[in-house]
Amino acid sequence: EDQVTQSPEALRLQEGESSSLNCSYTVSGLRGLFWYRQDPGKGPEFLFTLYSAGEEKEKERLKATLTKKESFLHITAPKPEDSATYLCAVPGNQFYFGTGTSLTVIP
Amino acid sequence: KAGVTQTPRYLIKTRGQQVTLSCSPISGHRSVSWYQQTPGQGLQFLFEYFSETQRNKGNFPGRFSGRQFSNSRSEMNVSTLELGDSALYLCASSSVTGGAISGYTFGSGTRLTVV
Repeated sequence: EDQVTQSPEALRLQEGESSSLNCSYTVSGLRGLFWYRQDPGKGPEFLFTLYSAGEEKEKERLKATLTKKESFLHITAPKPEDSATYLCAVPGNQFYFGTGTSLTVIP
Repeated sequence: KAGVTQTPRYLIKTRGQQVTLSCSPISGHRSVSWYQQTPGQGLQFLFEYFSETQRNKGNFPGRFSGRQFSNSRSEMNVSTLELGDSALYLCASSSVTGGAISGYTFGSGTRLTVV
């Protein structure tokens, strides 16, 4: 069964304290792994798409990487405005979302 | 270009009533999917429409239904509302079915509160 699991569920970081979020997946025939950012009360906003193991994408303080079984979202020197829920998703019979990691960056 | 537009943004309904939510996808996108998001369950897939045909359906009761029009706009209907239907309902559009290749673009959602 296609599945996406994210960890940790919640993460509190001091401003400037780097860390990583994990997304593991089980899906046959990966057709991309997508990362989204969601602010409270809003729809998810697209961040990255990764298609093959070894691929990396960067955007400001965020870098996403992909292996054959999981993806990491690395946050370098985060700022309070990076506080949000980060979701990963993979397309299968439907678009499967993980439950997200709620990130709080404390000034 | 315009994004995904959902109306209304907020809605308060009474138990037993029915509600219709609307979604206008990005121009040229023919796939529209609907999700229910609650704090405990995350994003739960409701259904996907592509070119006016329902392509896939999640595990929701028959009270939840939808349709898509020839201009790709979609509506979602929930009949006999229950308190547990209170949630953020998100619509997402894509150029292809299943969200592959380009993923989904989401609207801002409709916040439904059932009292």
